[in-house]
Amino acid sequence: SQQGEEDPQALSIQEGENATMNCSYKTSINNLQWYRQNSGRGLVHLILIRSNEREKHSGRLRVTLDTSKKSSSLLITASRAADTASYFCTHHSGTYKYIFGTGTRLKVLA
Amino acid sequence: NAGVTQTPKFQVLKTGQSMTLQCAQDMNHEYMSWYRQDPGMGLRLIHYSVGAGITDQGEVPNGYNVSRSTTEDFPLRLLSAAPSQTSVYFCASWAGGRATYGYTFGSGTRLTVV
Repeated sequence: SQQGEEDPQALSIQEGENATMNCSYKTSINNLQWYRQNSGRGLVHLILIRSNEREKHSGRLRVTLDTSKKSSSLLITASRAADTASYFCTHHSGTYKYIFGTGTRLKVLA
Repeated sequence: NAGVTQTPKFQVLKTGQSMTLQCAQDMNHEYMSWYRQDPGMGLRLIHYSVGAGITDQGEVPNGYNVSRSTTEDFPLRLLSAAPSQTSVYFCASWAGGRATYGYTFGSGTRLTVV
């Protein structure tokens, strides 16, 4: 399967805490992407990390990639109520057929 | 504003009716995809295209047709609507290649089949 699997399925934290969610995959990848989806809206791209990269940052977001373990993690630091959303990973392994997992539902409590 | 435009935003169909969901992008992206999302679920890939004239099936292609006659447009046709096709449909486009960013998604079409 080319599907990325996010873990945990749901996460609830207090505002100001860090949130970490993980993504595992089974095939070799060209790149891996993380997206956010607010309720009822389309997905918004967060970070794209290539297979030869190990870490990328964007504001309060940090993505790591471990190709030996076929896993990636998304860290959101100093979370805010506005970070409440579902987070998805997806990857491409040569066919440009991006398949999404079921996501991690993050709830940040004020 | 540059982006992916989907029309209509809402649609109610009767079982057996056919219709076309429109998707257009003005970013000259080569890659376009259609996804459906059922309540509380992730996205499932219906069809995708890697360029004008080239389309391929995704995870759940049955009951849907696509065509890509231009780079800008990627319409999704429901051949004979069924209640199981009630869902939110998202179209997305991507520059591909060495792009450092991922897909741009449209705002979705909420389809109800009764």
